[in-house]
Amino acid sequence: AQRVTQPEKLLSVFKGAPVELKCNYSYSGSPELFWYVQYSRQRLQLLLRHISRESIKGFTADLNKGETSFHLKKPFAQEEDSAMYYCALRRGSTLGRLYFGRGTQLTVWP
Amino acid sequence: DAGVIQSPRHEVTEMGQEVTLRCKPISGHDYLFWYRQTMMRGLELLIYFNNNVPIDDSGMPEDRFSAKMPNASFSTLKIQPSEPRDSAVYFCASSYLTDTQYFGPGTRLTVL
Repeated sequence: AQRVTQPEKLLSVFKGAPVELKCNYSYSGSPELFWYVQYSRQRLQLLLRHISRESIKGFTADLNKGETSFHLKKPFAQEEDSAMYYCALRRGSTLGRLYFGRGTQLTVWP
Repeated sequence: DAGVIQSPRHEVTEMGQEVTLRCKPISGHDYLFWYRQTMMRGLELLIYFNNNVPIDDSGMPEDRFSAKMPNASFSTLKIQPSEPRDSAVYFCASSYLTDTQYFGPGTRLTVL
């Protein structure tokens, strides 16, 4: 079975501070990992995916297979980063379906 | 493209009433997903379709919930009878093959 765990329901940092949103997964195969974000009053949208290995809005995430983690990081948080962040996993054998964590609400204080 | 369209955006109903939520996926997408979002449980997948065929409905809470996709451009999620614990935000999402899922704005359901 597969499972995505986001241990922090709430996370607060001050503007300019580094931020790390944790995501751990359990899956015996080779997963695809994603981060989705939901800004206030907006739709849930894809932020980044591990296979792209890109930085979006200053955020990066590295898949660590040894630790089964996919933490989301940004060196200098901005107020506009305040949002709900969901980590998600897709198994290679189940086309289309994503398994989501419970989400982390990030608040960046001025 | 207007993206995934959901209606209504807000629904307030009384316990025992039937509720129907509607979704229009992005044209050309072959996957459609229904999710429920609550504070306690986060984002849960209820059911998903591929080419209008239900693939996995194991997330549907109970027999009170049903979903249909009569054609590639329309899907419904029905709750009959509704209960207060069904109060949540219901999202529809669509994707092409295994690409990015695009979410609708959601329907906020309140059952009194």
